[in-house]
Amino acid sequence: AQSVAQPEDQVNVAEGNPLTVKCTYSVSGNPYLFWYVQYPNRGLQFLLKYITGDNLVKGSYGFEAEFNKSQTSFHLKKPSALVSDSALYFCAVRVPPGEGSYIPTFGRGTSLIVHP
Amino acid sequence: EAGVAQSPRYKIIEKRQSVAFWCNPISGHATLYWYQQILGQGPKLLIQFQNNGVVDDSQLPKDRFSAERLKGVDSTLKIQPAKLEDSAVYLCASSLEAGHELGAFFGQGTRLTVV
Repeated sequence: AQSVAQPEDQVNVAEGNPLTVKCTYSVSGNPYLFWYVQYPNRGLQFLLKYITGDNLVKGSYGFEAEFNKSQTSFHLKKPSALVSDSALYFCAVRVPPGEGSYIPTFGRGTSLIVHP
Repeated sequence: EAGVAQSPRYKIIEKRQSVAFWCNPISGHATLYWYQQILGQGPKLLIQFQNNGVVDDSQLPKDRFSAERLKGVDSTLKIQPAKLEDSAVYLCASSLEAGHELGAFFGQGTRLTVV
């Protein structure tokens, strides 16, 4: 069975400071990993994904995430936070085609609050 | 580019009543997904369509939930009869390809409250 853990319900950071939103996963096989953002009263928006290749993945709005296989982590990062980054962030995992059911599993979400 | 459209935005019904949600995916997207997001949890995939065929509905409570995608475009998700625990946001998503990544484009969702 696959699972995703987002250990922090909420992350607080001051504007201009670097931010990290943590995600760890458990899956048998090679993971496909994703980050989505959900702004208030908006649908989920895709930020970035890791499928294969470079462990550092760059995505939308200046976000990036680093795949660490030994630590089974895929933490979301941004060098300088903006107040407008305040939202709910979801990490998700699934296995590649041919390695089993590809129903994705989402984490519970982490609320990011960026203070002015 | 127009996004994924869903209606209604909000719905309040009594338990044991029926309800239907509608989704219009992004034009040209062959894959359509319905997710259920209960408050405080991440979205859970209910059903995935490829064109008008069902790819996976293993997490759909088929005794009360049904979904269809006629002509491979719009889709409806129905609950009959509704239970209190069905209160959630129902998200529709679409993507160009199936099986390789999550639906990258989500609608705003329909917030269902069952009382």
